[in-house]
Amino acid sequence: GQNIDQPTEMTATEGAIVQINCTYQTSGFNGLFWYQQHAGEAPTFLSYNVLDGLEEKGRFSSFLSRSKGYSYLLLKELQMKDSASYLCAVLGGSYQLTFGKGTKLSVIP
Amino acid sequence: GAVVSQHPSRVICKSGTSVKIECRSLDFQATTMFWYRQFPKQSLMLMATSNEGSKATYEQGVEKDKFLINHASLTLSTLTVTSAHPEDSSFYICSASPGTNHYEQYFGPGTRLTVT
Repeated sequence: GQNIDQPTEMTATEGAIVQINCTYQTSGFNGLFWYQQHAGEAPTFLSYNVLDGLEEKGRFSSFLSRSKGYSYLLLKELQMKDSASYLCAVLGGSYQLTFGKGTKLSVIP
Repeated sequence: GAVVSQHPSRVICKSGTSVKIECRSLDFQATTMFWYRQFPKQSLMLMATSNEGSKATYEQGVEKDKFLINHASLTLSTLTVTSAHPEDSSFYICSASPGTNHYEQYFGPGTRLTVT
């Protein structure tokens, strides 16, 4: 089976840095995605990691450790518009995408 | 590029009626389309995978006779919720992929279904 864990909620201050963690246990692994989802909207793609290490894309970076079943999404220079839910999703051995419950991030002034 | 639309964005229906939701890929041909359901504060749950011209593959626990999926063309898939009940009220999201794997999925804006 698939199990994906991430914190339910986080709060951070505008301009700061926040790290959202995700741990997973899946049968097979073909990559890990991070999506951003604003309330009532569909998810939008942020990053994809399939090899260990850090992928940087502007203010957002994503890290993966396959041996630890662990990933994090790092958001720098937080802006108010970054308030959203962040979904960790794993592409398992059967190439099926399984989503975590999401982490609701609130950015405060 | 890679735009996916859904219609309607919101729908309210009475218990016992059927509702059809459309998912269209606007600027690419979608070999595969996926239908997800998301309850409040829950993760997206895959309901079914459909390939153009063939029957949909349903996930365990999803009733194929209740959630009818048709993928008649490379740009359109429809989900019909038959004999809807209040517990079917949810956010339904489709995604489309130009290939046959799940790597590259483009999500639609979602449809909020409320069954009264």
